[in-house]
Amino acid sequence: GAVVSQHPSWVICKSGTSVKIECRSLDFQATTMFWYRQFPKQSLMLMATSNEGSKATYEQGVEKDKFLINHASLTLSTLTVTSAHPEDSSFYICSAGTGFGYTFGSGTRLTVV
Amino acid sequence: GESVGLHLPTLSVQEGDNSIINCAYSNSASDYFIWYKQESGKGPQFIIDIRSNMDKRQGQRVTVLLNKTVKHLSLQIAATQPGDSAVYFCAENGIDMRFGAGTRLTVKP
Repeated sequence: GAVVSQHPSWVICKSGTSVKIECRSLDFQATTMFWYRQFPKQSLMLMATSNEGSKATYEQGVEKDKFLINHASLTLSTLTVTSAHPEDSSFYICSAGTGFGYTFGSGTRLTVV
Repeated sequence: GESVGLHLPTLSVQEGDNSIINCAYSNSASDYFIWYKQESGKGPQFIIDIRSNMDKRQGQRVTVLLNKTVKHLSLQIAATQPGDSAVYFCAENGIDMRFGAGTRLTVKP
């Protein structure tokens, strides 16, 4: 079955630094990837949709300059949290698909101290 | 915008009982729906899907029912086990993937 690998699974960083999270489709090509964030006991909130070779589409209220998304190939999308602050601490999850059927990564727990 | 939502935030059942988790959707044009299970600290996992040309689909211990008239989905879990304890989400698989609040299922031994 389709496998999505997300790394790192957890990261602790200092306030003001940047963190990159990778999402890879291991055995299929993903034309579309989605990035979500999830706070404790809450649902997944869609942050942005990235399409290979084009700019990501961000949801209302999500700062595109803070959450940089790059989908340079059909198997890799990256989310970079720039100048991270404690309020950016959250669980970030990616999903990848080809239009029908989506698979999720295992998530990245980001803690900003 | 249109959204997918869930009726109940929590559900507690006795081990061995059947569970029913409900979901309301608002986009009448949606033609594909998925149920996901998310365990604590993990990403959502696919459970079962259904297309709008079907009313019912069965998997192993799970059944999804679709009522297009009232735009309602349900997930039925037979003989619920402790390992079924998780948050369950329904999602519309259209242009994007949006989730409702989720229902936390707790199975009591």
